[in-house]
Amino acid sequence: GAGVSQTPSNKVTEKGKYVELRCDPISGHTALYWYRQSLGQGPEFLIYFQGTGAADDSGLPNDRFFAVRPEGSVSTLKIQRTERGDSAVYLCASSYRPGYGYTFGSGTRLTVV
Amino acid sequence: GEDVEQSLFLSVREGDSSVINCTYTDSSSTYLYWYKQEPGAGLQLLTYIFSNMDMKQDQRLTVLLNKKDKHLSLRIADTQTGDSAIYFCAEFGSSNTGKLIFGQGTTLQVKP
Repeated sequence: GAGVSQTPSNKVTEKGKYVELRCDPISGHTALYWYRQSLGQGPEFLIYFQGTGAADDSGLPNDRFFAVRPEGSVSTLKIQRTERGDSAVYLCASSYRPGYGYTFGSGTRLTVV
Repeated sequence: GEDVEQSLFLSVREGDSSVINCTYTDSSSTYLYWYKQEPGAGLQLLTYIFSNMDMKQDQRLTVLLNKKDKHLSLRIADTQTGDSAIYFCAEFGSSNTGKLIFGQGTTLQVKP
């Protein structure tokens, strides 16, 4: 597609529930990144995919967070047993090579109540 | 570890120049970026500079890099009200995974 698409744009969930956030990168971009942006902060790195594999997941805060990219394009960020502290905007970005030419999506605003 | 610092707020009059500053810690940074974020929107890449450059100009934007002091600045000439936004500095550091380290953002307020 023309840009990075993230769905849903907004998600409200109850504490303890499971959520999935979807990212559709720019066609042909092999690198895909997830970031989390809390209110008043800059984005923080979560995980990086090169193709289908997670090349760097050092930013995932704990084992409730997991992400997949089974066919090397669309990625899903999964959060189990959500907590109020997980409330943030989750941003996805893609690029044709690491560190260069990032394009960000508009993000998914997750609110845990 | 890697860290990027920015001042939090800048207010200027329309037509003036704005200068947003950033310091970083990773001396092996290869690219340094400036992103713009408007309310409720994603991050828009404004410009970037390679670490072997001192300056880059792109229309109203001028980026200056002082690698010795690990200081980066973004100058916006003839600032307009449409430039009001949050500006993020980011570095692509020594990791080869391409992750960016962002500052906490500078809110630019442009008064008419």
